[in-house]
Parts: sequence; structure tokens; C-alpha cells
Amino acid sequence: EPEVTQTPSHQVTQMGQEVILRCVPISNHLYFYWYRQILGQKVEFLVSFYNNEISEKSEIFDDQFSVERPDGSNFTLKIRSTKLEDSAMYFCASSDAGQGNSYEQYFGPGTRLTVT
Amino acid sequence: GENVEQHPSTLSVQEGDSAVIKCTYSDSASNYFPWYKQELGKRPQLIIDIRSNVGEKKDQRIAVTLNKTAKHFSLHITETQPEDSAVYFCAASRHTGGFKTIFGAGTRLFVKA
Repeated sequence: EPEVTQTPSHQVTQMGQEVILRCVPISNHLYFYWYRQILGQKVEFLVSFYNNEISEKSEIFDDQFSVERPDGSNFTLKIRSTKLEDSAMYFCASSDAGQGNSYEQYFGPGTRLTVT
Repeated sequence: GENVEQHPSTLSVQEGDSAVIKCTYSDSASNYFPWYKQELGKRPQLIIDIRSNVGEKKDQRIAVTLNKTAKHFSLHITETQPEDSAVYFCAASRHTGGFKTIFGAGTRLFVKA
């Protein structure tokens, strides 16, 4: 069964550094999402992406965040200047909402980001 | 902004009993309501979902009900088993005018053997 993959599984970075989290969505999906989950807390929506542009973004997704689909398979989240409070698990998800008449989102295994 | 309230935050039941988790959403444009089970250190796993044009849905021991007028939806797990112990999240998702999913705060379910 096709799966969403994410790399790296764990990223440690220093405050102020830039990080890029990578995701490979399921190949025939057209809708892509990033979420974050601070340890022990709820899953928080960051951004959705469709047709090569941002569809929606949350208040968390400020100017330090950006997303890109640089080629036909990867979907990336960039954090420009990391802060301690960016430490969290970041999940990528994809769906074929509408196309296959299903809204189900398929989650990747997550990237644990630790900012020191 | 959009919000999803989830109750209770913790639920402890005896094996074989039922568990009920309730959620309320604020965005009237929400049209899809998934429920996720998350085990420690793992990704959220979809266990059941319901769309806004349906009032209830059942899959073996799991059922979900939706009251669109009241903006309430609930998860019911019958005949609970120790392996049902996990954190459960409800979510309300909008697929018109942009795609956005808001999660509830989660319910930690303990099933005692």
C-alpha cells in the first residue's frame, strides 16, 4: 500500500538556523498538508497546498515558514530561523480529496525537530 | 477563529465497557469529520470518518454520530479492549474555499483489563 514518507526522522538544529523538512506524498494525491504536534499536545494545522499554491494557512504559519513542491514528488516545509518553540513533531499528509471522492488524509511518520 | 472542543481529556473504562468521546466544532463550513487514534510516538491513524451529509456511521465496534445543527459529533467504542488504550483526536475539516483541518485537544483513553 502506498505511504507518505518523511525525511529526516529526527533533526536537531541550533536556534536561528534554517531547516528543511521533506515529504514525499502518495503519488496520485493532489492535496498536501503540514501539521505540527508539540510533545503531549494536539495536532495543529499549519498549511494546506493545492495546485502549486497555498490553499489555507494557520496563524502559526507566519513569515518564517514556507512550503514548496520543487518537483513532481517532494513537498517541503522550510523554517527560516528556528526558535526553541519550534521544537515539535512535524507531520506531512496528503489526500486526493474530491478526485477519488475521499477526504481521507494519509499521514507520514513525522519528523521530530529539536531546536537547541 | 475555528475551534474544536473535545471532552473528556481523560477517560478510564473497564475492559468490555463502552467509551464515548464528544466534540463540538465552530466552523459551519466544516464538511468532513475524521477520528484518529494515536499511540505514543506514532502518526495519527484514521479509525473512522463521517461526512456532513450523513448522521451516523458504524464500523464494527466503532461508531460516529454527527449533529450538524448543533455542531456536535461523537465517537462511540463498544466492548473496549486493552489495545484500545491510546489518545483519540477528533477533527473538523473544511474542503470548500480552502482546505483546513482543526483537531480537538485529544482524549487519553485507558482500558483496564
